[in-house]
Amino acid sequence: AQTVTQSQPEMSVQEAETVTLSCTYDTSESDYYLFWYKQPPSRQMILVIRQEAYKQQNATENRFSVNFQKAAKSFSLKISDSQLGDAAMYFCAYRTLRYTGNQFYFGTGTSLTVIP
Amino acid sequence: DSGVTQTPKHLITATGQRVTLRCSPRSGDLSVYWYQQSLDQGLQFLIQYYNGEERAKGNILERFSAQQFPDLHSELNLSSLELGDSALYFCASRGGLAGGEQYFGPGTRLTVT
Repeated sequence: AQTVTQSQPEMSVQEAETVTLSCTYDTSESDYYLFWYKQPPSRQMILVIRQEAYKQQNATENRFSVNFQKAAKSFSLKISDSQLGDAAMYFCAYRTLRYTGNQFYFGTGTSLTVIP
Repeated sequence: DSGVTQTPKHLITATGQRVTLRCSPRSGDLSVYWYQQSLDQGLQFLIQYYNGEERAKGNILERFSAQQFPDLHSELNLSSLELGDSALYFCASRGGLAGGEQYFGPGTRLTVT
């Protein structure tokens, strides 16, 4: 079964600085999706960014970008110009493309604190 | 607003009781996923339905069951509730188009006393 590992339970960053959250995954598949979700104190799960494994170009959404290293099975999230509203739990997720299930696998999360 | 709705938002019940959580997916989405998130924990995948059929099962207890109806809404039934079942229960839906991300509802917070 696929596993997703987030080795940093907690991270902090100064407001306006840049922070990188790490994620690694284990799979034998060649086609899949990777995601970062944000869960602020409201507990709502919000999609931050998506990466298709077949794309070599790293995804970018405004201040959020990823560093996708397929061979290393690494998928880190970079947050630039951090804002107070970025404080949240961040979950990395993997989605298999197998017909049966298309299941998502989530990491254990990284709690990000933004220091004013 | 993700377009996924869940009711009720909060539910308080006693041990041994049975509850039903309801989820309406985004318009047009055929897949519904259920997750459990205990306090300060990650997401535990429970079960997935696609167009009325069960597609994948995760760590779902035998006391729990789910179904997806012809109008695509889904219900998660939790019975013989225990204190440890207190958690936030999320429903997520996914469309069939490229992109394939899930969109989460706001969750139902279940408290078992």
